[in-house]
Amino acid sequence: NAGVTQTPKFRVLKTGQSMTLLCAQDMNHEYMYWYRQDPGMGLRLIHYSVGEGTTAKGEVPDGYNVSRLKKQNFLLGLESAAPSQTSVYFCASSYPRDNLQETQYFGPGTRLLVL
Amino acid sequence: AQKVTQAQTEISVVEKEDVTLDCVYETRDTTYYLFWYKQPPSGELVFLIRRNSFDEQNEISGRYSWNFQKSTSSFNFTITASQVVDSAVYFCALIQRSYQLTFGKGTKLSVIP
Repeated sequence: NAGVTQTPKFRVLKTGQSMTLLCAQDMNHEYMYWYRQDPGMGLRLIHYSVGEGTTAKGEVPDGYNVSRLKKQNFLLGLESAAPSQTSVYFCASSYPRDNLQETQYFGPGTRLLVL
Repeated sequence: AQKVTQAQTEISVVEKEDVTLDCVYETRDTTYYLFWYKQPPSGELVFLIRRNSFDEQNEISGRYSWNFQKSTSSFNFTITASQVVDSAVYFCALIQRSYQLTFGKGTKLSVIP
């Protein structure tokens, strides 16, 4: 049981390049999330998914797209990377109960540097 | 709107001292969960505790204890007899009837040997 895994762990991009971050979970969780963490800002929600084939915008969605083609995977895409997207990206998953979200479990993070 | 405030940006203590990390939250909902996460220097986020809004009992787990007071909208975290391994950034977070987990900005705890 690996929990939540993220690929890659670290990446350097040039401005304008594109890339996809992969998140995978083996806990059969319905809900998955992408956050970014910046110094002094805590974690902010980018996009989330409440089930296979569904996605929704979070607090800071601009410049990102997501897809949830399989229940266990949640992809985060950057179509044209910008230096402002330099950050640490965390994926999380959870299982809903009683209309409240259960504990979110986080992956190890991906460090992205955009030059 | 929901909000979590961790007023202490950084705290330093000497090993074996007790330390309390403060968390104050704002929400209009009567049903919500509060969380504490630990982020050690290695960077991962480790879940520590979840408390729902209907359970105001304090909780103790080893050297860790949590004090939840709805009257003051606070969910404070105390580490007793701190150790160097407790050095980390600690985040308080809140979720209500939405999908968004709102985090505080974190408190960096340094435990000096």
